[in-house]
Amino acid sequence: QKEVEQDPGPLSVPEGAIVSLNCTYSNSAFQYFMWYRQYSRKGPELLMYTYSSGNKEDGRFTAQVDKSSKYISLFIRDSQPSDSATYLCAVGPAYSGAGSYQLTFGKGTKLSVIP
Amino acid sequence: DSGVTQTPKHLITATGQRVTLRCSPRSGDLSVYWYQQSLDQGLQFLIQYYNGEERAKGNILERFSAQQFPDLHSELNLSSLELGDSALYFCASSVAPSGRSIGELFFGEGSRLTVL
Repeated sequence: QKEVEQDPGPLSVPEGAIVSLNCTYSNSAFQYFMWYRQYSRKGPELLMYTYSSGNKEDGRFTAQVDKSSKYISLFIRDSQPSDSATYLCAVGPAYSGAGSYQLTFGKGTKLSVIP
Repeated sequence: DSGVTQTPKHLITATGQRVTLRCSPRSGDLSVYWYQQSLDQGLQFLIQYYNGEERAKGNILERFSAQQFPDLHSELNLSSLELGDSALYFCASSVAPSGRSIGELFFGEGSRLTVL
């Protein structure tokens, strides 16, 4: 079983739709949960992160973590064409010190928002 | 602009050859990470250096090696290249997190390697 599973899509939605992106993970030791966004021909950039179960909201984006079911979600409200990108979930254990910070990434879901 | 610089952006080479990818981290970041991204495997962690020392190893092949220099830039060396090594290679840098804050990874724009 892979440590992080993410449906690669692609996912195509009309502008204004609510988008739901999901990942499951297998290791209960993971404590950091992140979403990175990667535009075409660019490197991933951090979009949101959470440290525990629950919701975190940032504008049109909401990250949700359910540690009991090892399930993480990203919701995008009022989706815009500029949201078209690949979204990668990432999980990591507690910081272990000495500058070591390990993340395991999902394969990414490619999202297209159609005007 | 993440502040992480990678060169070259594109590289085309033949099987059996050797290439070197270079990364300059953000100013002040001590950790450098190398990732390989392919369509079928996604973003795979290869290796991490912290202030010149190897800190963690992931799915890095023996044909690949890396180092971090005193000025903190890093190089990833790929040798005896095979067709399957064609991928995007990303470098990322970070500072150590403090308390419960995370150590965000800042990625460069990647080096696209094509092995023919």
